[in-house]
Amino acid sequence: GAGVSQSPSNKVTEKGKDVELRCDPISGHTALYWYRQSLGQGLEFLIYFQGNSAPDKSGLPSDRFSAERTGGSVSTLTIQRTQQEDSAVYLCASSWGLAGADTQYFGPGTRLTVL
Amino acid sequence: AQKITQTQPGMFVQEKEAVTLDCTYDTSDPSYGLFWYKQPSSGEMIFLIYQGSYDQQNATEGRYSLNFQKARKSANLVISASQLGDSAMYFCAVGNSGYSTLTFGKGTMLLVSP
Repeated sequence: GAGVSQSPSNKVTEKGKDVELRCDPISGHTALYWYRQSLGQGLEFLIYFQGNSAPDKSGLPSDRFSAERTGGSVSTLTIQRTQQEDSAVYLCASSWGLAGADTQYFGPGTRLTVL
Repeated sequence: AQKITQTQPGMFVQEKEAVTLDCTYDTSDPSYGLFWYKQPSSGEMIFLIYQGSYDQQNATEGRYSLNFQKARKSANLVISASQLGDSAMYFCAVGNSGYSTLTFGKGTMLLVSP
């Protein structure tokens, strides 16, 4: 079956513009995660969805960042008024959402560059 | 809070040799899982292996095995018979039992030479 897909693969934007990043999880996966990876760094957790609700938004770096998930499937991460420090690779992952630590499968990421 | 420490920023190994990538973790949760992911230059995170905190035996997946020492809070990845395609960043991660948000280490870059 298809893996996690993300679009666009690359996004270049000007400082101050809004951007939307899309994630399409593996079919049947109820849990969805957004991470950010800055150049040469590990992954920074942003937000977690179980179904359409987000029980953990603790990683969102500022109120310019928001995310939603509809129909228990596709998720959109929105960054308003982008800043140069938002430049990073944004990775989405999905899992079955089972109790306990279940495996997350990652998409290819969206590389965001803010000029 | 959870923490992962990967002390080796870079490792070199010759093809066909075995290599161990170190990972130590800190978590207050009595039930947790440990994961290793590979990130080649293409950028995608590829799941390699999982170890549950209550698993009695070390996990193995093909050429990958996890040397789990619970008392020392260490979960080292062993890659046997290294191949050129193993050159990549390797990340260790820990997830708790409540839900599966993962905390990642900073990674180890592995370079396999012919």
